[in-house]
Amino acid sequence: QKEVEQDPGPLSVPEGAIVSLNCTYSNSAFQYFMWYRQYSRKGPELLMYTYSSGNKEDGRFTAQVDKSSKYISLFIRDSQPSDSATYLCATPQNTGTASKLTFGTGTRLQVTL
Amino acid sequence: ETGVTQTPRHLVMGMTNKKSLKCEQHLGHNAMYWYKQSAKKPLELMFVYNFKEQTENNSVPSRFSPECPNSSHLFLHLHTLQPEDSALYLCASSHSGLAADTQYFGPGTRLTVL
Repeated sequence: QKEVEQDPGPLSVPEGAIVSLNCTYSNSAFQYFMWYRQYSRKGPELLMYTYSSGNKEDGRFTAQVDKSSKYISLFIRDSQPSDSATYLCATPQNTGTASKLTFGTGTRLQVTL
Repeated sequence: ETGVTQTPRHLVMGMTNKKSLKCEQHLGHNAMYWYKQSAKKPLELMFVYNFKEQTENNSVPSRFSPECPNSSHLFLHLHTLQPEDSALYLCASSHSGLAADTQYFGPGTRLTVL
């Protein structure tokens, strides 16, 4: 079983829609969760992070963690064409003196006009 | 821009060639990383350097050889690669390598092995 699983999509939605992107994880010891956004021909950039359970909101974006079901979600309200990108969930694990990020495969999102 | 640059952006090489990928970070970070990104697969961590010391080698074949001469520069030396090594190679850096630190990624080098 993969440590972090994510539907690769692609997911296509019309402009203005509410988007729900999801990941599941297998290790209940994971406590810190991140969402990275990767535009075409660019490296991933951190979008949001959340610790343990609950919601975190930043503008049109809400990150949600449900530890009981090992489920991570990213909601995008009023989606825009500029939100078209691949969204990767990740969780860090400490290995020795450095941090290892375990990523999902990423979900490709296309927001159409 | 993220403050992490990678050169070249694209590289095509034969299986017998030797080439190097370069990464430079202008953020004053102490940890640097190499990742491999293939289609339909999660990012795979290859190597981690913290304060110029290699702290992680994720079972990477010896045809990939990293070098970290200082905290700002990271190289990936390539030799006798295989076609399945074709992928996007991403470099990242973070302040101290701890779990809470954000990793900043470069734009990647798109490698094609013929």
